[in-house]
Amino acid sequence: DTEVTQTPKHLVMGMTNKKSLKCEQHMGHRAMYWYKQKAKKPPELMFVYSYEKLSINESVPSRFSPECPNSSLLNLHLHALQPEDSALYLCASSHARGNYGYTFGSGTRLTVV
Amino acid sequence: LAKTTQPISMDSYEGQEVNITCSHNNIATNDYITWYQQFPSQGPRFIIQGYKTKVTNEVASLFIPADRKSSTLSLPRVSLSDTAVYYCLVGDSMDSNYQLIWGAGTKLIIKP
Repeated sequence: DTEVTQTPKHLVMGMTNKKSLKCEQHMGHRAMYWYKQKAKKPPELMFVYSYEKLSINESVPSRFSPECPNSSLLNLHLHALQPEDSALYLCASSHARGNYGYTFGSGTRLTVV
Repeated sequence: LAKTTQPISMDSYEGQEVNITCSHNNIATNDYITWYQQFPSQGPRFIIQGYKTKVTNEVASLFIPADRKSSTLSLPRVSLSDTAVYYCLVGDSMDSNYQLIWGAGTKLIIKP
């Protein structure tokens, strides 16, 4: 298995909703990442997990809450989002933090209404 | 922090060789250079990575001059399916703060 699987592919949520994005990989990668990408912009790093521990939080608002239950799974819990949080949310993994041979998922297209 | 500069867009034709250059004047000693390809509504896909001189794989070559202040991604004999955004990244794999900078991306359009 050489893929990063993200679910759901599309999500529409209201500003008072709570939802979660899920990411899964079975490549034995020990670093996992969440990125946010707005249209026509490069991906922006949000969180880095290394060996299931949060190692980087790029000053992301608390309405985004990451979770790494085990080495294969990464979640992003969403609560009280704003319309400007609408974006493509990408999960990626790599063998170790700092290794740039990332494998990205196809992303979750999030729309906040 | 290294900052990268890429052309916003490029056009070429099927069968041609395409070279996309990325400038990274402030690249640090431990920084590597990596290129990714991204199609609309998909995650980026790793293309190639290098530190110096030339690196080649089955899809591309990466040329890095001795001063490492720039790099050139070379795509041989492009096809319509190579139409995508190409990102240049520079970063230090040993940096505990993990500073990784994405360029703005180059939109490559291949014409028949």
